Amino acid sequence: EAGVAQSPRYKIIEKRQSVAFWCNPISGHATLYWYQQILGQGPKLLIQFQNNGVVDDSQLPKDRFSAERLKGVDSTLKIQPAKLEDSAVYLCASSLRVGVTEAFFGQGTRLTVV
Amino acid sequence: ILNVEQSPQSLHVQEGDSTNFTCSFPSSNFYALHWYRWETAKSPEALFVMTLNGDEKKKGRISATLNTKEGYSYLYIKGSQPEDSATYLCAFGGSNYKLTFGKGTLLTVNP
Repeated sequence: EAGVAQSPRYKIIEKRQSVAFWCNPISGHATLYWYQQILGQGPKLLIQFQNNGVVDDSQLPKDRFSAERLKGVDSTLKIQPAKLEDSAVYLCASSLRVGVTEAFFGQGTRLTVV
Repeated sequence: ILNVEQSPQSLHVQEGDSTNFTCSFPSSNFYALHWYRWETAKSPEALFVMTLNGDEKKKGRISATLNTKEGYSYLYIKGSQPEDSATYLCAFGGSNYKLTFGKGTLLTVNP
């Protein structure tokens, strides 16, 4: 079974530039999550999709972050413009259904903003 | 904001030692408690998903217990091996189906 695919693995950008991350979840998984993990902290949920609808985006900084899930499958997360404090690992995860089933994670994208 | 606490923050043990970590979470609106292992340069990997008070789960040398009434879970590793070195994350799943993670416990097993 193919896992959750994310790209790119690493990205270095200057502040005020834009960046986009891509995620392809496990086939058949209805729920998709984007997490931000800043060094020394636990992963923080940015946005959660159920199929192509947003379930929770309460912690997404909407002035600079946006995310979409096309046709309920792939998803992109965009930051525009980036700030230094956005430097983090961005993890995508998917699960069969919301709640009790385990989430499967991609390897993450490590973003460095200089 | 939900408070999910993990302790200790980091731990160094010798190969063969047994060890355990704690995850504390809100005792209300509980739905599930997840444990993940995150090795450097790899994806976080699910170890257990626990839903019932008093539940105990085991996978090889790793086991976990759950107390939803007092809001804690323990993860035990018996006879630690160097390949167990990783960050162990717990995540609280509330009735809103959102997963809130703790900061993790970084385990280093010295050969």
